[in-house]
This record gives sequence, C-alpha cells and structure tokens, in this order.
Amino acid sequence: DTAVSQTPKYLVTQMGNDKSIKCEQNLGHDTMYWYKQDSKKFLKIMFSYNNKELIINETVPNRFSPKSPDKAHLNLHINSLELGDSAVYFCASSHGGWTNEQFFGPGTRLTVL
Amino acid sequence: DQQVKQNSPSLSVQEGRISILNCDYTNSMFDYFLWYKKYPAEGPTFLISISSIKDKNEDGRFTVFLNKSAKHLSLHIVPSQPGDSAVYFCAATDYGGSQGNLIFGKGTKLSVKP
Repeated sequence: DTAVSQTPKYLVTQMGNDKSIKCEQNLGHDTMYWYKQDSKKFLKIMFSYNNKELIINETVPNRFSPKSPDKAHLNLHINSLELGDSAVYFCASSHGGWTNEQFFGPGTRLTVL
Repeated sequence: DQQVKQNSPSLSVQEGRISILNCDYTNSMFDYFLWYKKYPAEGPTFLISISSIKDKNEDGRFTVFLNKSAKHLSLHIVPSQPGDSAVYFCAATDYGGSQGNLIFGKGTKLSVKP
C-alpha cells in the first residue's frame, strides 16, 4: 500500500502551459505539504494544508496554487509554466503534532522546455 | 540564507565502520531536528529525530547527537551497511512558530562500500 502517492512521476511540458500534479495520502493525516527540490538539491517548503486551510504559504509565485478537495488530497496547479519551474516536486503529509514526522511521496520531476 | 547546513556533499565509508554525518544550524529558535534518508527516484523517508531538550537519541544502528551550544548535530550509523548508501538530509523546525515548516539542509550523499 502506497502511503503518499503522486501523479504523474514525470511531466515534460512547454513554457506557458498550465499543469497539475496530484497527491493523495491514505495515512489519515491532517496536514499535507508541497516541497520543491531545485537543481541545487535544496528541499524547500512551498505550501501546507491543515484541515483544508492553508497554514503555510512561502514566497512562491502566485502561478502556483494548491487545491485540496478533501483531507486526503492536495493537488498542485501551476499556471504559465516557466523554465525556472523545472524541478522535482514532493508531496508530503503528517499527523498534526510536535514530532513533525512527514511522509513523502516519490516526487514528480517537472521539466519545462 | 541557509539556516541548516550540511557542509559535506558526500561521504564514503567502508562496510562495518562508523558513518558520521554532520549538520549545523543558525536559527537558535529551532527546537526539533530530524534526519531523512533518500534513495534515488524516491521521496525522503524519516529516519530519526531529536528534541532540543535532549542531547542524544538512539534507534538501533542510528544515533543522533545534538550540541545546542554549538548549534550542531550529527548522525552516527554503526555499523554501516551497503544498504545505507543514500542521501541524508538534516531538517530542523521551530514547532511553536512554524507549525511544521521543516527547513532542510542540502543533503550528504553516503556511499558504503562492501
């Protein structure tokens, strides 16, 4: 059973397009996150959702928008893709609490041409 | 501005020996620290954590040491096994202020040679 799953695993697209990455967790967690791992290998938080409310919104362009239809899903929508958006995007989830152990999905490698 | 630094991009160790991975942080508000392990083409997986009220936490072959005055933590793996070969990320959080916002280091690639 996959705990945190993401689709697609690879995404190649042209500049200017709009794309979405889906994330689902079956752990019953109440918080989900999106991270971006850039070419320098830094993992940086983009968003998190707790009980369908955005609780962290780092300084990411507003072309990126998280959408959470329910507690088990947090999808990432990206409008007007740019070359610099090329990266690996990881979804994660955790159970609210101070341990902050986050469970990560396998990642989606986005390439913008 | 890197708040969590892993200054060694790579480390090579012989099987059976000790692996020591280091991590430094700059934000004195951090009160919880975690290590994640990542294999190629997979997401990071949680390995071990430590609260700032402790200076050591042990789980099997993995031990994390925290030196708050030096703002330094280290992960010890004893004995190292080839399956430990992966990228290890140090992460830190100020739980009270960040509500789960983990700040990650850049990672150290560990290679354990048979």
